[in-house]
Amino acid sequence: AQSVTQLDSQVPVFEEAPVELRCNYSSSVSVYLFWYVQYPNQGLQLLLKYLSGSTLVESINGFEAEFNKSQTSFHLRKPSVHISDTAEYFCAVSSPHQAGTALIFGKGTTLSVSS
Amino acid sequence: DTGVSQDPRHKITKRGQNVTFRCDPISEHNRLYWYRQTLGQGPEFLTYFQNEAQLEKSRLLSDRFSAERPKGSFSTLEIQRTEQGDSAMYLCASSLDVGSNTGELFFGEGSRLTVL
Repeated sequence: AQSVTQLDSQVPVFEEAPVELRCNYSSSVSVYLFWYVQYPNQGLQLLLKYLSGSTLVESINGFEAEFNKSQTSFHLRKPSVHISDTAEYFCAVSSPHQAGTALIFGKGTTLSVSS
Repeated sequence: DTGVSQDPRHKITKRGQNVTFRCDPISEHNRLYWYRQTLGQGPEFLTYFQNEAQLEKSRLLSDRFSAERPKGSFSTLEIQRTEQGDSAMYLCASSLDVGSNTGELFFGEGSRLTVL
């Protein structure tokens, strides 16, 4: 069985500060990894994903995440956050070897950016 | 296409009543998923369909829950004899199976259920 642990439930930061949202996963097989974001009163949206290849993946709005197989981690980072980044962030895992298996989500991290 | 749509967005009901939620996926997507999200938790998988076939059900899906996707397009999730513990946001998502499981899901905005 797969599982995801998001190590911080809330992360308050000031605008333009760097941020890291931590995610660790557990799986006995190879994985696909995802970060989803949920802005207030909106549905979940895919932020970025790791399927294969380069372990560093980037989103269009400046976030990046690095797949670290040895540490079973997929931490999300941004060098300088904006007020508009305030949202709930969910790390999720699935397996390429289990066709159709649904995403398994972590409990989420609330990122609060203040001025 | 405007994405995954869910109806109703909010439902308040009394304990013991039945409720039904509808999900319309992105039109060309053949996979449809139901999740439940409670306060402070991430989405929890309930069930998923490949076209009209229900292929997987979570142990969270008790006998009071039933989901259908009769023509492989829209889906309904019915909860019978609702309990206060059923209060949650019910999320629908869809994806396109292109032969490999990339796992990218497109979510609707959810249907919030409050059981009094």
